[in-house]
Amino acid sequence: QVQLVESGGGVVQPGSSLRLSCSTSGFTFNYYGMHWVRQAPGKGLEWVSYISSDGSDKYYAESVKGRFSISRDNSKNAVYLQMNSLRDEDTAEFYCARAGIRFPYCHYWGQGTLVIVSS
Amino acid sequence: DTQMTQSPSTMSASVGDRVTITCRASQSISTWLAWYQQKPGKAPKLLIYKTVSLESGVPVRFSGSGSGTEFTLTISSLQPDDFATYYCQQYKSYPYTFGQGTKLEIK
Repeated sequence: QVQLVESGGGVVQPGSSLRLSCSTSGFTFNYYGMHWVRQAPGKGLEWVSYISSDGSDKYYAESVKGRFSISRDNSKNAVYLQMNSLRDEDTAEFYCARAGIRFPYCHYWGQGTLVIVSS
Repeated sequence: DTQMTQSPSTMSASVGDRVTITCRASQSISTWLAWYQQKPGKAPKLLIYKTVSLESGVPVRFSGSGSGTEFTLTISSLQPDDFATYYCQQYKSYPYTFGQGTKLEIK
């Protein structure tokens, strides 16, 4: 079955960096685009970033553009989110999600990893 | 960017009720819309994609409709397991924006 497991969250100070990982199994990873979506405590879902199946196309929310970078390693079935210059407002649960085979909705989701940015 | 607005933000209903949640897009998204269900402390779960297509394993009491800028999610007969928060998301153009959510509570 499809499994996505996020890791790398934690408590960091404003201005610092963090790299999130999403390890996957149960499907042919290099066939699918991948998303990162976040949810601040008590708030709604915010789409963060998307990377195409071969890594050639990458898109970002305006709120993270220039600070966050998405990447993937198809040999390791993993997707990453490098987060730099973190701000208080980046505090959130971060989910990775696999896209559909034909359309880029968020088909399967991981359980999330919590990032807390606080001094 | 395409803004997605859901209504209502919160609603109360009883088991057996028919419930409709509306999602409006700030510009046409054709039928590139998905619906998700999220329960407290859990990851979201895909219910419907491309406006009307039911994800495998999702009960048939869930249905979606619409096109262009106005969409609805309908639950034909509420079950206890359906009390959750529901989100729409457009995937016509980046950024792939979500609605703010509709929390469905027990009356």
